[in-house]
Amino acid sequence: NAGVTQTPKFQVLKTGQSMTLQCAQDMNHEYMSWYRQDPGMGLRLIHYSVGAGITDQGEVPNGYNVSRSTTEDFPLRLLSAAPSQTSVYFCASKQGQGYTFGSGTRLTVV
Amino acid sequence: KQEVTQIPAALSVPEGENLVLNCSFTDSAIYNLQWFRQDPGKGLTSLLLIQSSQREQTSGRLNASLDKSSGRSTLYIAASQPGDSATYLCAGRRGGGADGLTFGKGTHLIIQP
Repeated sequence: NAGVTQTPKFQVLKTGQSMTLQCAQDMNHEYMSWYRQDPGMGLRLIHYSVGAGITDQGEVPNGYNVSRSTTEDFPLRLLSAAPSQTSVYFCASKQGQGYTFGSGTRLTVV
Repeated sequence: KQEVTQIPAALSVPEGENLVLNCSFTDSAIYNLQWFRQDPGKGLTSLLLIQSSQREQTSGRLNASLDKSSGRSTLYIAASQPGDSATYLCAGRRGGGADGLTFGKGTHLIIQP
């Protein structure tokens, strides 16, 4: 199915562990982005990419790394997980003005 | 910095009613404004997008308006149905760059059968 695919859907990490949240899209969209959603807050932009090889920081980039080696994939890396990174993470791609969101990864850091 | 506020935070109405969800934003230099729907445990589904040069957009029973001068947008849902129950998010985008969307916290809508 065309769209944005995020894996895993759920993950529990211990403080200090590292992991990569995967995001892939098959719509050939140049623009991809990562958001986090926390209770009582709107979605906040973590990092974004306007094309392969180009990434930039959003509103809340600290503690996260990204890279964009292909148009299709935009992984989000947590180098040393902290409880404050417990959240639901959404990947989104964009063509023109229209955004397509993935179904999210629910991450718990204990 | 753009701030987006949605009122009310939650709303429960009987089936069949017409209703209005409100969204306000602080930066009038908005490029466009989008309304999304989010179902529990799911991603966001785009409902309507209004460019800064437009006043409103319609899709089926949904109508969204944009008033840049007052910093307000509304989402009107006609003849509400239980399937409309979801959280509705508005998000603004500034022009001139690749920066992302600024989201409101959402309105949690329940349509009672």
